[in-house]
Amino acid sequence: AQSVTQPDIHITVSEGASLELRCNYSYGATPYLFWYVQSPGQGLQLLLKYFSGDTLVQGIKGFEAEFKRSQSSFNLRKPSVHWSDAAEYFCAVAPMDSSYKLIFGSGTRLLVRP
Amino acid sequence: DAGVTQSPTHLIKTRGQQVTLRCSPKSGHDTVSWYQQALGQGPQFIFQYYEEEERQRGNFPDRFSGHQFPNYSSELNVNALLLGDSALYLCASSGRTGGAAGYTFGSGTRLTVV
Repeated sequence: AQSVTQPDIHITVSEGASLELRCNYSYGATPYLFWYVQSPGQGLQLLLKYFSGDTLVQGIKGFEAEFKRSQSSFNLRKPSVHWSDAAEYFCAVAPMDSSYKLIFGSGTRLLVRP
Repeated sequence: DAGVTQSPTHLIKTRGQQVTLRCSPKSGHDTVSWYQQALGQGPQFIFQYYEEEERQRGNFPDRFSGHQFPNYSSELNVNALLLGDSALYLCASSGRTGGAAGYTFGSGTRLTVV
């Protein structure tokens, strides 16, 4: 079955430190890949997406993600975290043969220490 | 240019009751998808509407139904509410292809069933 795994439920980093959020997917072919951010009480904002081509994808707010086919991973990174980055982060896939819908991971909550 | 608008923002219902949630898509979008996000979980796809028809459906019982109007707005109806239906309900609109790559999410409706 198609699935998305975010192994870290919570991550705490100090402001200014680097960040990496992990995401692994299970699917027969490479799907479309996404990272979303959700602030408390808010909807989902797209950070970045990968369809094909360069495996390092740049997004908004200084985020980037790297697709690694051999590891079925799409990890999100940021070199220097700001307090305003504290939020819930969701990795998602859209299967190429059913691209109408997103399949989400269970999310990683990012806490930022001052 | 308004984004996706959902109403109401919050509501409380009693078990067994029925509820209707509303969504107005982003200007220029004609496809509406609905997601359920239980507390501490990632969103799950309920269904998608295009040209006033249900185009694709996730693994949700028939108690969940929807409608799309000629102006592309949409309603999500849930009958015979269960405590487990308590969740944030997100609406996403997209263009003609309905692909998840073009989603814009609303801020959601928080439904509490007591």
